[in-house]
Amino acid sequence: EAGVAQSPRYKIIEKRQSVAFWCNPISGHATLYWYQQILGQGPKLLIQFQNNGVVDDSQLPKDRFSAERLKGVDSTLKIQPAKLEDSAVYLCASSFIISGETQYFGPGTRLLVL
Amino acid sequence: GQQVMQIPQYQHVQEGEDFTTYCNSSTTLSNIQWYKQRPGGHPVFLIQLVKSGEVKKQKRLTFQFGEAKKNSSLHITATQTTDVGTYFCAVSSGSARQLTFGSGTQLTVLP
Repeated sequence: EAGVAQSPRYKIIEKRQSVAFWCNPISGHATLYWYQQILGQGPKLLIQFQNNGVVDDSQLPKDRFSAERLKGVDSTLKIQPAKLEDSAVYLCASSFIISGETQYFGPGTRLLVL
Repeated sequence: GQQVMQIPQYQHVQEGEDFTTYCNSSTTLSNIQWYKQRPGGHPVFLIQLVKSGEVKKQKRLTFQFGEAKKNSSLHITATQTTDVGTYFCAVSSGSARQLTFGSGTQLTVLP
């Protein structure tokens, strides 16, 4: 079974630039999550989708972050404009159904904002 | 939002020694999951606990869920260098459908 795919793996940008990350979840998984993991901290949920609908985006900084999952499969997370404090690993995860299910994480995208 | 405290933040042990990390919540939890993240890697699911007082074992790893469902522990017996990494608990409670991750315990095993 193929795992969660993410790209790019690494990205370096300057502040105020924009950046986009892509995620393809495990086939058949209805729920997709985007997490931000700052060095030395646990993953923080940014947004959770079930199929193509948003379940929870309460911790997404909506003034600069946006995410979509138009066809209920793959998803993109965008930051525009980026700030220095956005430097982190952005993890995508998926689960078969919602609410307490095992989450399978992708390798993450390491973002450095200069 | 859900608050969860995980201790200790760091733990250095000699290979062969035991290791324990604790996860504590001020509210009653629906379930708790444990994940391991190797250096430079991504979190990998280890186990889920749902029932009060539940104890589960995976080889040298023992997971416990407190009777009040407010705390949990992960114990590793006779650590090996392959156990190196950060161990996270992740909790959900009530109607909340998202997981909240603890800050993790970073384990170093000295050969």
